[in-house]
Order: sequence, then structure tokens, then C-alpha cells
Amino acid sequence: EDQVTQSPEALRLQEGESSSLNCSYTVSGLRGLFWYRQDPGKGPEFLFTLYSAGEEKEKERLKATLTKKESFLHITAPKPEDSATYLCAVSGSARQLTFGSGTQLTVLP
Amino acid sequence: DTGVSQDPRHKITKRGQNVTFRCDPISEHNRLYWYRQTLGQGPEFLTYFQNEAQLEKSRLLSDRFSAERPKGSFSTLEIQRTEQGDSAMYLCASSSVGDTQYFGPGTRLTVL
Repeated sequence: EDQVTQSPEALRLQEGESSSLNCSYTVSGLRGLFWYRQDPGKGPEFLFTLYSAGEEKEKERLKATLTKKESFLHITAPKPEDSATYLCAVSGSARQLTFGSGTQLTVLP
Repeated sequence: DTGVSQDPRHKITKRGQNVTFRCDPISEHNRLYWYRQTLGQGPEFLTYFQNEAQLEKSRLLSDRFSAERPKGSFSTLEIQRTEQGDSAMYLCASSSVGDTQYFGPGTRLTVL
């Protein structure tokens, strides 16, 4: 059974204070690892797909990396508008996504 | 490309009533997924269609839940005899040849 664990559950940062979110996973036959952003009361918004260990992707202040057991979402010099819940998910032998419980990020001005 | 749309956005119902939700995927996406999300948790998979064929159903999906995608375009999710434990956000997602799924805004169900 595919499993995803995210840490920390919640993170408070000062504006400009860089940090990383962790996603540990176990999956049979990784098809892809996905990062989403979710604002309260809204659906998840796609950020990145990573397919193999060593792969990295960047978008504005966000950078996602992947190893065989973990993925990290690095946030550089965050702004208050980056406050949201960040979800990690994997797709294995089945096409559906298995999600972690998310990291709730708050960036204080 | 207008994105995935869901209707209604909010639904309040009394226990024991039936409810139906609709999802319109991104045009030309042949795969459609339903998930359920409760407060503080990530979305949980319910069921998956490729075109009009329902290919997978979660063990979480009780007999009171049924989903259809009659013409391979929009999909409906029906919950019969709703229970308070069915209160959640119901999310729809679609994908094409790749594995990246794009989510709609969700339908928030409250069962009184």
C-alpha cells in the first residue's frame, strides 16, 4: 500500500526566512510524485511533477527535489502570499494519487 | 481551457436525503477522478474513470455511493441516504496522457 508522510504539520516563517518541507513516501513502482498548493476552501492547485530520483523543478520561490525515499519543497525568501497548505502525493502502480496530510505554511509579514 | 468545474459548490442536506454532484473535466481529458477530503487531511481517492469506463473504486466507497460518466465527458457522484459522516469536500480531478491531475474547486457537503 502506498504511503505518504509530510512534515512538519505546520510551519510559521517570517517573510524572507527560507525553509524546506519534507515528504517521505513508500510506493510500488513510482509513476510520479506531485506537489500541490491548497488555499482554504479551494481545490488543490498543481505545482510540480517529479518522475525520478535526482530530478529538480523550480517555479518562482519554490524548488522541488526528489530522492528514492523523500521529496523536499524548498521555499526561498517566502512572502505572505505563499501562506497555504502544501500537499504531496504519489502515483504508483494504480493511477490514483495517495496524498499526505499536508504542511500548513504561514508566512508572517 | 477553462479548468475543471464542479457544481454545486456547496450543498447542505438532511441526514437520509440523496445528493448528486457534477464534475466537468478539462476538455479532451480522458481520465476523471473523484476524491473526498475532510478537515486537516489530504484528499482520499474514491473512484476513477477512463473515458466512460469506471476502472477503479476505493474500498472506502460504500454501496451508498455511485458514480457515472455516461458519455466520457462530465461525471456525476451520487450519495444515497446521506449520513453525518459523509460531510466533507468532494473533489474532482482530470488528466490526459500524463499522470498530472488537475483539480476542480470542490463541492462542500454538510449533512445535518
